[in-house]
Amino acid sequence: SAVISQKPSRDICQRGTSLTIQCQVDSQVTMMFWYRQQPGQSLTLIATANQGSEATYESGFVIDKFPISRPNLTFSTLTVSNMSPEDSSIYLCSVEERFSSSGNTIYFGEGSWLTVV
Amino acid sequence: KQEVTQIPAALSVPEGENLVLNCSFTDSAIYNLQWFRQDPGKGLTSLLLIQSSQREQTSGRLNASLDKSSGRSTLYIAASQPGDSATYLCAVRRIPNTGKLIFGQGTTLQVKP
Repeated sequence: SAVISQKPSRDICQRGTSLTIQCQVDSQVTMMFWYRQQPGQSLTLIATANQGSEATYESGFVIDKFPISRPNLTFSTLTVSNMSPEDSSIYLCSVEERFSSSGNTIYFGEGSWLTVV
Repeated sequence: KQEVTQIPAALSVPEGENLVLNCSFTDSAIYNLQWFRQDPGKGLTSLLLIQSSQREQTSGRLNASLDKSSGRSTLYIAASQPGDSATYLCAVRRIPNTGKLIFGQGTTLQVKP
């Protein structure tokens, strides 16, 4: 299975600032995604990171707030802009391994736990 | 709109018990269903994936079943151990190319020594 590394693992951020989260995968993957998990809640998809083009955002999420880059098949970044306490969440990078023995399984990184004060 | 529900929300059992976690979904038109484990403050570990054409998958002490027509999946854990203590999440995927998973709220399991 793909090994996914995220940085930072945790951070405390000041209100109004922006933070960029990095996601590195140890193999080339076709699809990369960013999810958010707010405290006590389950996961919600923010967007699909598309290589070489603009990300595809889910309803309720916009590019100005969550700009995403994906310059190649193994790396993506998510920026949380102009943060407020409501942005305090775990942000998780995930990837799909197609044509693997486990059949289109989606894997997740360890997450980046952001607290906005 | 697809909704995923997991019952119970929390479960506490003594070590050695066999247990079943339940997951139900409202729209049977799914591509696959995946079970995950999440430890506190951590990411998700994939446990089992069941394609829509399959009825069950097994890995070690874990067995997941899928009844698509009734909108249900179960995760069976045999001979539970304290190390199994975690939150278990099920997620359904409707369209293969979007990769969007719809998650349940999870079942938090505590296995007491």
